[in-house]
Amino acid sequence: EAAVTQSPRNKVTVTGGNVTLSCRQTNSHNYMYWYRQDTGHGLRLIHYSYGAGNLQIGDVPDGYKATRTTQEDFFLLLELASPSQTSLYFCASSDEGANERLFFGHGTKLSVL
Amino acid sequence: GDSVTQTEGQVTVSESKSLIINCTYSTTSIAYPNLFWYVRYPGEGLQLLLKVITAGQKGSSRGFEATYNKETTSFHLQKASVQESDSAVYYCALGDHNTGGYKVVFGSGTRLLVSP
Repeated sequence: EAAVTQSPRNKVTVTGGNVTLSCRQTNSHNYMYWYRQDTGHGLRLIHYSYGAGNLQIGDVPDGYKATRTTQEDFFLLLELASPSQTSLYFCASSDEGANERLFFGHGTKLSVL
Repeated sequence: GDSVTQTEGQVTVSESKSLIINCTYSTTSIAYPNLFWYVRYPGEGLQLLLKVITAGQKGSSRGFEATYNKETTSFHLQKASVQESDSAVYYCALGDHNTGGYKVVFGSGTRLLVSP
């Protein structure tokens, strides 16, 4: 089973704070994704990547940056956190992208006070 | 762009009764997208339930079925007889290639409650 590890599991910050969410996958998948989950909206795609150094814009990118430093590691950056970014964040990876299932991490719960 | 619509936020069904969870999709792609159902059981992570990558085909898993209907752009999830253990949140998803690679978008999710 593919493994996707997110850290931290929980994070509390203040408005204007700087937050980095980390995601590591150890299965050499080329695609990695960041989603946020909110009641009534399901999972919304923030950013995704198909390899180290690559970044693609998702559907709700405002206020977020992301960086794929290696095949394994994908980071989500909130440089000026706002209360509207309080959410449950999921990272996922997949192999090749086409037809393949996503493997999800357990999520990071972020609270911006 | 691509989008997925699930109209029911929550569905309550009595055990042994039949179930249908609606999913429709929209895509600007000239190719047919891949369609998926994911599920999150209480206390567990999100996992794939079934997938269909060819229009007109049916996918099945754990007694659930979904048919890829390109005419109605639908991918409804059905089960003939639900069990309490099916209580979970179900997400319909669409995967599509675009200039940015392979993008996967999800519906808003439907919580299924199965009453004994």
